[in-house]
Parts: sequence; structure tokens; C-alpha cells
Amino acid sequence: QLQLQESGPGLVKPSETLSLTCTVSGDSISSSDYYWGWIRQPPGKGLEWIASMFYRGSTYYNASLKSRVTVFVDTTRNQFSLDLSSVTATDAAVYYCTRHRLGSSRLDPWGQGTLVTVSS
Amino acid sequence: QSVLTQPPSVSGTPGQRVTISCSGSTSNIGRKPVDWYQQLPGTAPKLLIYGNDRRPSGVPDRFSASKSDTSASLAISGLQSEDEADYYCATWDDNLNGPVFGGGTKLTVV
Repeated sequence: QLQLQESGPGLVKPSETLSLTCTVSGDSISSSDYYWGWIRQPPGKGLEWIASMFYRGSTYYNASLKSRVTVFVDTTRNQFSLDLSSVTATDAAVYYCTRHRLGSSRLDPWGQGTLVTVSS
Repeated sequence: QSVLTQPPSVSGTPGQRVTISCSGSTSNIGRKPVDWYQQLPGTAPKLLIYGNDRRPSGVPDRFSASKSDTSASLAISGLQSEDEADYYCATWDDNLNGPVFGGGTKLTVV
């Protein structure tokens, strides 16, 4: 059974870089034609797609975040990661990792999510 | 502001049938399948409906959905207290090149 698990610091200072990792278990991150994505949800608000990547390097970004986002895949560790630079209070959210096919919003499964707070 | 439009809240009594609407445009719902997610309090979203009207294994048939042109809807019949959750519609947007969501609808079972 495929499972995803986010990890990373729960507290980031303003202007610094938020770095999160999603560990995939139950399947190889490079075994199929799925994209691996990041979604976030500010407290009390809705869902926002951040970016998605294919293990061979093809990447899609939310245009509103693209200038601050870096995503990459580590096939040796079966992980994919997100860096979000120059964070502000508006970046505080629960960050989820998930899987989908290109051109599809069928996101399944999801990680349990990790809460990131932005504060000095 | 979300790309897809949902009502902020709906409510119903146990046993009742409720519907949640989702409105989009020709660049998203008009071209791509719609998926629905259920988010119980304090948990991650869970895929509820995919491909406009298909239920993943384990989802009760009380949940159904449909799509027409640039709109979609989710119906929940035989409402139960455990259905209290936030519901999100989603689809792919060809202009934005990524998945887009509705703002979410909070279902209250009174």
C-alpha cells in the first residue's frame, strides 16, 4: 500500500527558506508515470497546489509561487522535496505531499500533512 | 480567491439529501474530469469521487457526483453525522497547468 510522509521543521523564520521532504513507501518513486506534488492549506482556509514533479525532471509550478519554489526528486532515497524561499507569514500552512498523473487532479494518496509556522 | 466556486457552507438533517455545487470555466471543468475530496476535521483530504462520478473502493454509494458543461455537483444522500466535513472539488486547469480547487464547502449535520 502506497504511503506518503512529510517531514521538516515546523518553525521557519521570516525571509528564510522552508524545506520539506516527502518519503514514499510501498512503491518506487520512479516505477510509474505519476507526478509527485505538494499542496498547502493555510489555517482555516482552502487547498492550494504548489508544484508537481516527475522523477525524470519534468516540473510544473503554481505561477504565483514559481519564483520562490524549488522541487526535486531523490530516487535513491525514494523521496521528493520542496524548498520555498523568502517565506512570510502568508506561507504558514499545513503542507501535504501527494501523487497524481499529468493532466489529472485525482490526488491519491495524501500524506498526513505537516504544519509549518513562520515566526521569528 | 479560488479558481473553482463552491458555496461556503451547506447543512442538513440526518437522513436528508444535500448537494454541493462547483462552478468553473472552459479551461478547467469544461475540459477535464472533476474530483471531490472529503476533509474530516484535523485530517488530510481524502479522495471521495474521481473522474466526475466514480467512487474509490470503500466510499459508500450514498456519495454521488455529476458534471455538466462547466459545473459539477456532489450529492450526499442518507446524511449521517459522520459526514460532517469540508468538501472540495478539483480539476486540472489547462491554462494554469496544474490542479485547481474550489474554496471548500463546510457540511454541517444539524
